[in-house]
Amino acid sequence: QVQLVESGGGVVQPGMSLRLSCAASGFTFNYYALHWVRQAPGKGLEWLAVISYDGNNEYYADSVKGRFTISRDNSKNTLYLQMTSLRAEDTAVYFCAKEGSGNPSFDYWGQGTLVTVSS
Amino acid sequence: DIQMTQSPSTLSASVGDRVTITCRASQSISSWLAWYQQKPGKAPKLLIYKASSLESGVPSRFSGRGSGTEFTLTISSLQPDDFATYYCQQYDRYWTFGQGTKVEIK
Repeated sequence: QVQLVESGGGVVQPGMSLRLSCAASGFTFNYYALHWVRQAPGKGLEWLAVISYDGNNEYYADSVKGRFTISRDNSKNTLYLQMTSLRAEDTAVYFCAKEGSGNPSFDYWGQGTLVTVSS
Repeated sequence: DIQMTQSPSTLSASVGDRVTITCRASQSISSWLAWYQQKPGKAPKLLIYKASSLESGVPSRFSGRGSGTEFTLTISSLQPDDFATYYCQQYDRYWTFGQGTKVEIK
């Protein structure tokens, strides 16, 4: 069965960096685009970034462009999100998500990892 | 950027009710719309994609309609497991979520 497992969250001070990971299993990893989505406490879902199946194309939401970098290692079946210059407003649960077959909605999601930016 | 607006923000209903949630896009997105259900502390779950296609394993009481800028998600007979927050998402140009509609017990 498809599994996406995020890790790397925690408490970090403003201005610091953090790297999240999403370990995937149960599907052919290098066939699918992957995304990061976040949800601030008590708020809605915010799409952050996408990376193509081969890692050659990336797109970002304006709110994180220039600060966050999405990447993947198809040999390790792992997706990453490098976050720099973190701000209090980046505090959220971060989810990774997989696109569906031939359909760019998100058919599988990880359980999420909490990032808290606080001094 | 394409903005997605859901209404209502909160909906109070009883088991067995027919419930409809509306999602409007700020510009035409053809049928590139999905609906998700999210329960507290859990990841979202895909219900509907391409505006009206039911995801595998999702009960048939869920249905989606619309195209262009106006879309609806209908639950034909609300069940206890359906009390949750629902989000629409456009994927015509990048990806954007609506602000969510919480379906609560009346």
